[in-house]
Amino acid sequence: QVQLVQSGAEVKNPGASVKVSCKASGYTFTAYFLHWVRQAPGQGLEWMGRINPDSGGTDYAQKFQGRVTITRDTSITTAYMELNSLRSDDTAVYYCVVDSQGRDWGQGTLVTVSS
Amino acid sequence: DVVMTQSPLSLPVTLGQPASISCRSSQSLAHSDGNTYLNWFQQRPGQSPRRLIYKVSNRDSGVPDRFSGSGSGTDFTLKISRVEAEDVGIYYCMQATHWPPLTFGPGTKVEIE
Repeated sequence: QVQLVQSGAEVKNPGASVKVSCKASGYTFTAYFLHWVRQAPGQGLEWMGRINPDSGGTDYAQKFQGRVTITRDTSITTAYMELNSLRSDDTAVYYCVVDSQGRDWGQGTLVTVSS
Repeated sequence: DVVMTQSPLSLPVTLGQPASISCRSSQSLAHSDGNTYLNWFQQRPGQSPRRLIYKVSNRDSGVPDRFSGSGSGTDFTLKISRVEAEDVGIYYCMQATHWPPLTFGPGTKVEIE
């Protein structure tokens, strides 16, 4: 059974960075792309980027280019999403998602950006 | 980028009655490999999204058979044959044919009248 367990909620000041982790289990970690999707309060779903856990190759949404970095550590089957220069409108729940058809989702990590 | 639209955005339904949600894409979602990568998700209040339907009409494991998906090209539909109380939530369509980026519809809020 696929499980994606994300790190806990974060509160950050504007201008800071946040790094969210996603621990995967129950499948071959390197076999499927892993995506990050965010959801601002009361809003819809927004794709941020993805990583190929096998090669480490990434794609990012244009909106987040230069501000987001997705990495992985295959030894511990964990992916990471780091977002820099945080603004108040980055306040959202961040989800990791297995495979490009959205098959399985993590529980979400609330990131609050506030001074 | 492919733009996804949904209608209606709000759908009050009566328990036991059918419901239907439309999803349209700004370009055909037919892939050169013969598949059409249009998926449907349900997000219950306070929960992560859960995939219900993949590649237009394939139900995920554990999804009740009252949910069905259909469509082709740029026009797709999610139907609930008889709405139950547990179906309350927001439903999203998502295209994965032309990516990056993956793109989602704005969501349709289903609530009981």
